[in-house]
This record gives sequence, structure tokens and C-alpha cells, in this order.
Amino acid sequence: EVHLVESGGGLVQPGGSLRLSCAASGFTFSNYWMSWVRQAPGMGLEWVASIRQLGTEKHYLDSVKGRFTTSRDNAKNSLYLQMNSLRVEDTAVYYCVRVFCGTTCYYDYWGQGTLVTVSS
Amino acid sequence: DIQMTQSPSSLSASVGDTVTITCRASQGIYNHVAWFQQRPGKAPKSLIYDASSLQSGVPSQFSGSGSGTDFTLTITSLQPEDFATYYCQQYNSYPLTFGGGTKVEIK
Repeated sequence: EVHLVESGGGLVQPGGSLRLSCAASGFTFSNYWMSWVRQAPGMGLEWVASIRQLGTEKHYLDSVKGRFTTSRDNAKNSLYLQMNSLRVEDTAVYYCVRVFCGTTCYYDYWGQGTLVTVSS
Repeated sequence: DIQMTQSPSSLSASVGDTVTITCRASQGIYNHVAWFQQRPGKAPKSLIYDASSLQSGVPSQFSGSGSGTDFTLTITSLQPEDFATYYCQQYNSYPLTFGGGTKVEIK
């Protein structure tokens, strides 16, 4: 069974840094693109970043470019999101999502999320 | 960026009803649309991909249709556990974008 478990969320001051992790199990992690999606309190879903199987291709939401970096360690079945220069508007639950690629690439499994609160 | 305009933003329905949610893309995106369900306090759950294909384990009361710019999610015979918020998403091009959501409430 596919499991995605995020960790690393918490309270951080504006300008601070946080590193999120996503532990994957139940599938061959290195075969899949992975993605981060966030949801601000009471708001909708927002794509944040995606990373290819070997980490050779990455895409980011414009508002996080230069501040967030996604990476992965396939030997540890883990996905990461390094978040620097955090802003109040980055406050959200961050979800780790698996991307299934057949003829198209789409989301199939979601983690339970980890809450990041940016506040002074 | 491709905008996904979802409507209605909320609706009220009764158990057993059929509801339809629509999503319009700001440009043609073939059938590269997914639908997700989110119950209160829970993570989203994937329902449909490629506009009309059901994810494994999703009941057949859910169906999707559309291509190009106009897409629909239909839920027949609403059950109590179906009262949730539903989102569409385009994955035709980056940045991946979601609709604003449709909250399905009990009448």
C-alpha cells in the first residue's frame, strides 16, 4: 500500500527557514515524479513544485522560485522541500503527492500534510 | 498561466441527488484534467484523471467528461460521505493550476 508521510512543519518567523520531508513507502519511489501542493487556511489547493525521478528536472511556482528548493534521496525513499526566506503568505498545509505517468502524468496518492505557520 | 474557473463555488443537495460541477480552462488543454475530493480536515483524494478515467477504487457514481476547455464532474446518487469540497486541476502545462473548489453541502 502506498504511504506518503510528511514531517518538518512548524512555527517559524518571517524570513526564517524550514525543511519539509516526505517519507514514501509501498512503491518504487525512484520510478515516480513527485510534487508538493499547499493549502492556506480556509483556501484552495496550490501547486508548489515538482521533481523528476532522478531529480534532473524541477519546476516551481513563480512565487517560491529562488526561495524554495525541492530535492529527493531515492536511496532513502524521501522527498524534501527546503523553504528559505519564508513569508506570512507561505502559511499552509503542505502535501506531498505522487505523480503517475502513463501517456500523461497525473496525481494519484497524497500524504496527510504538514502545517507550516509563518508568523512573528 | 492556465486559469481553471470552477462553478458553482458551493451547492446544496440531498442524499440520492445527482450533482454536476463544471470547470472551464482559459485555453485548450486536451483532456489533461483531474478531479479531487477533500473532506473537512482531510487530505485531498484523487478521483478522476484524463478528464474521464476513474482512479482505482473510486466508485462508479463519480464520472467525468469534457475536452478542450470545458469539463464536468458528475456525482450520482449522493451519499453522506460525498458531502465535501471538489477541485479540478489542469496538468497540461506548468504551472499546474487548480480550480477554486466546489463545496457540496447537505440541503
